Amino acid sequence: AQTVTQSQPEMSVQEAETVTLSCTYDTSESNYYLFWYKQPPSRQMILVIRQEAYKQQNATENRFSVNFQKAAKSFSLKISDSQLGDTAMYFCAFMKSFQGAQKLVFGQGTRLTINP
Amino acid sequence: EPEVTQTPSHQVTQMGQEVILRCVPISNHLYFYWYRQILGQKVEFLVSFYNNEISEKSEIFDDQFSVERPDGSNFTLKIRSTKLEDSAMYFCASSELGGRGTYGYTFGSGTRLTVV
Repeated sequence: AQTVTQSQPEMSVQEAETVTLSCTYDTSESNYYLFWYKQPPSRQMILVIRQEAYKQQNATENRFSVNFQKAAKSFSLKISDSQLGDTAMYFCAFMKSFQGAQKLVFGQGTRLTINP
Repeated sequence: EPEVTQTPSHQVTQMGQEVILRCVPISNHLYFYWYRQILGQKVEFLVSFYNNEISEKSEIFDDQFSVERPDGSNFTLKIRSTKLEDSAMYFCASSELGGRGTYGYTFGSGTRLTVV
């Protein structure tokens, strides 16, 4: 079974700083998908970024980028020029494939606070 | 942008009562899911559903839970006899073609269930 671990329960940075959230996972699959979801106080689940394991290039989405280390099974999220609106819970998630109905396996989450 | 709609946003029920949580997935999606998030904890997979059948269910999804697609648009989660520990946020999600496309999942905004 797949597992996802986020070792940082909470993080706090000043506005405009760069912050990196860590995620490790365990799987025997060779092709899979990794995601970062943001959950603001409204508790909506918002997709931030995704990475396909077969792609060597790290995904980027505006101020958000990932550092995907397949051999180390590591998938960290970097937020550049952090903004107050980035304050939220961030969940790392794993999906085995895009074939059929596939569940997402989530980590425990990291509560990120951006201070003014 | 298409949305997954969940109703109600908040439901309070007495222990032992039956509740039905409702979801309207995105119209061209084929796969449907329910997740649960106990306050302050990670998001956990409950069940996936395709072609009017359960595709996969977790250990949490015991005989007290059932899912149904009663018509062409709604997808429901029923809890037959609620317990205090069923208090949580319940998220519905849907995906197309097993998650192909721009990303795998669209989540609804959730139903907060409080059992008293």
